[in-house]
Amino acid sequence: SYELTQPPSVSVSPGQTARITCSGDALPNKYAYWYQQKSGQAPVLVIYEGNKRRSGIPERFSGSTSGTMATLTISGAQVEDEGDYYCYSTDISGNHRVFGGGTKLTVL
Amino acid sequence: EVQILESGGGLVQPGGSLRLSCAASGFTFGSYAMAWVRQAPGKGLEWVSAITGSGAGTYYGDSVKGRFTISRDNSKDTLYLQMTSLRADDTATYYCARDFKAAIGDWFFELWGRGTLVTVSS
Repeated sequence: SYELTQPPSVSVSPGQTARITCSGDALPNKYAYWYQQKSGQAPVLVIYEGNKRRSGIPERFSGSTSGTMATLTISGAQVEDEGDYYCYSTDISGNHRVFGGGTKLTVL
Repeated sequence: EVQILESGGGLVQPGGSLRLSCAASGFTFGSYAMAWVRQAPGKGLEWVSAITGSGAGTYYGDSVKGRFTISRDNSKDTLYLQMTSLRADDTATYYCARDFKAAIGDWFFELWGRGTLVTVSS
């Protein structure tokens, strides 16, 4: 089965740049999406189609893909950005919809 | 305002059945594909099932295929998930999400409800 691999945790100080990676064999051909989930809340779409920021999401959030790795970058991370971040994509057939294991972002 | 509200969660015994509902408002429900995504306590997200806007096409994740059935009633703006032969590892918060088709034809979860908790335990 298809898998997306993320680091379990990333930690930065406020104002620093946080980078969360997601690796998957189909990413050269499929978009990566990024969801933010704060404690006790539902996930929220942050980045879609690899690098498009959803309306209402701060400009400090950006997405990129190079080869089999997608990256969510938070430039100047804020304390309110803390939470779990999940990448999402599909396998090459598009039939299997998969999330990465999630990355816990700590900003302190 | 777009709203997605799940209901129907609760405690059920192993082997039992449960039906979840998802009431949508603020958009033309029948024009959108919909999906269910679940999250076990303290764990990550897992796609469960999806259905086309008309209801003609249904899709399932491997872990629920043959046990869960997704359906919709566009006259009531409501999505359903009928769950049977429930197991302890089905325990999770079940989220209803509006599906959206990307430029290259793949689908992603655009908007999410707050979820409903299903606990499978004796």
